[in-house]
Amino acid sequence: DAGVTQSPTHLIKTRGQHVTLRCSPISGHKSVSWYQQVLGQGPQFIFQYYEKEERGRGNFPDRFSARQFPNYSSELNVNALLLGDSALYLCASSSAGGSNEQFFGPGTRLTVL
Amino acid sequence: AQSVSQHNHHVILSEAASLELGCNYSYGGTVNLFWYVQYPGQHLQLLLKYFSGDPLVKGIKGFEAEFIKSKFSFNLRKPSVQWSDTAEYFCAVINYGNNRLAFGKGNQVVVIP
Repeated sequence: DAGVTQSPTHLIKTRGQHVTLRCSPISGHKSVSWYQQVLGQGPQFIFQYYEKEERGRGNFPDRFSARQFPNYSSELNVNALLLGDSALYLCASSSAGGSNEQFFGPGTRLTVL
Repeated sequence: AQSVSQHNHHVILSEAASLELGCNYSYGGTVNLFWYVQYPGQHLQLLLKYFSGDPLVKGIKGFEAEFIKSKFSFNLRKPSVQWSDTAEYFCAVINYGNNRLAFGKGNQVVVIP
C-alpha cells in the first residue's frame, strides 16, 4: 500500500505570493494533520482535519488555512508568504481523529525568497 | 500548553556504544508517547510508541523506551548502536483532549564506524 504522499516535493516562491500544498493520506485513513518543520527544530502542529472538519489548530496566523476533501485528501494554503515561512511542510494521516499514531509523508520543501 | 524537552541535541558515538536519549514532557494528563526517527534523506518514521500497559516498550531495530509517569519522562535507549543508526530522533507527545502532536527539538545522532 502507498504511504502518505505529498506534492510538490520542492517549491520556490517569492514574498507576498500564495502557495498550495497537497496531501493524500493512506487509504482508509480519515484524519490528516499538517506540521511545519524549520531547520534545526521539531515539527510544529498547524492543523488537524477529521472527516472534513477542522479538529485542531496550532499557533499560526490566519494566512495559513487548510481543507479536507470528501476523499480525505487535504490542501494547505499559505497567503502573503514571508521569508520565515520557508520550511519543510509535513502531512500526516491517521485512521481516526484524536490521539492515534500518525504516519508522515515525505514533506514539501518550501523556500521563500 | 504542553511542551516536550530533548537535551543534548548533538550526540556522537562510536559503533557498539550504548545510546540513551532523554525526553521530558510538561502535560500532566493522560498522554500517548512516541519516538520518531528521520534517517538522512528519508521521512519521519515511527520507532516506537506507548499508549498504555507495560511502561517498557520495544520498537524496531533494537530500540526501547521507558515511560516513567512520575518523572514525566519517556527516554529512548539502545544497548549497542550501529553506523546505520545515524539519524535525527524526535520525541513526541499527544494528550487526550486535544489533537495536536507536540514534538521536541530532536537529537542529531552520529555513529562513527
